[in-house]
Amino acid sequence: DIQMTQSPSYVSASVGDRITIACRASEGISNWLAWYQQKPGKAPKVLIYGISTLQSGVPSRFRGSGSGTDFSLTISSLQPEDSAVYYCQQAHSFPQLTFGGGTKVEI
Amino acid sequence: QVQLQESGPGLVKPSQTLSLTCSVTGGSVSSGANFWSWIRQPAGKGLEWIGRVYSSGKTNYNLSLKSRVAISVDASNNQISLKLDSVTAADTAVYFCATEQFYYGPLIGYQYFDSWGPGTLVTVSS
Repeated sequence: DIQMTQSPSYVSASVGDRITIACRASEGISNWLAWYQQKPGKAPKVLIYGISTLQSGVPSRFRGSGSGTDFSLTISSLQPEDSAVYYCQQAHSFPQLTFGGGTKVEI
Repeated sequence: QVQLQESGPGLVKPSQTLSLTCSVTGGSVSSGANFWSWIRQPAGKGLEWIGRVYSSGKTNYNLSLKSRVAISVDASNNQISLKLDSVTAADTAVYFCATEQFYYGPLIGYQYFDSWGPGTLVTVSS
């Protein structure tokens, strides 16, 4: 099993701030990494896949980066609607998949 | 874009079988290279992939749940079904169905869940 560890588990920031969420895999996962945003009572929504490819319609203030076992999601210029829980997910061990534990972003 | 809607009993007794259906509109469960997954989320906790079924009917399951889970395609009703046996309180969660995009090429590959149902809460309690 590939374990995905996110940090921090909670971030409090202000509108306009830049934040970075880290995601570490227990072994190398190549580019098989996606990021999701989940708002309360809603299903997750994909933001980024393939480490850094922005899903259509996702604002450009979201950026994914990293390689090997260490990845990050950066949100530049936080907006009120960015309050959510963010999850990373690996597919290197496809067909098995695992998600990170989540990072709650409060604005 | 395909739309998904989960349905099924909201309350299941311990030791019984949890059965859910995912109704699909805007696409066919039995055509193309479609992957259909079930994912669950206990209240206040993270996401756990349960398993997937391909349009061909082939399945993959989370190894931690493999002995208790079955996912299938119902082409006549354009639905995906989930059955989870011998449930306990630990199976209480919101259950989502979702479609996957998957590509594996010589240089790159990617996978992600692109369409999700709104989720349905299943409580295991006597």
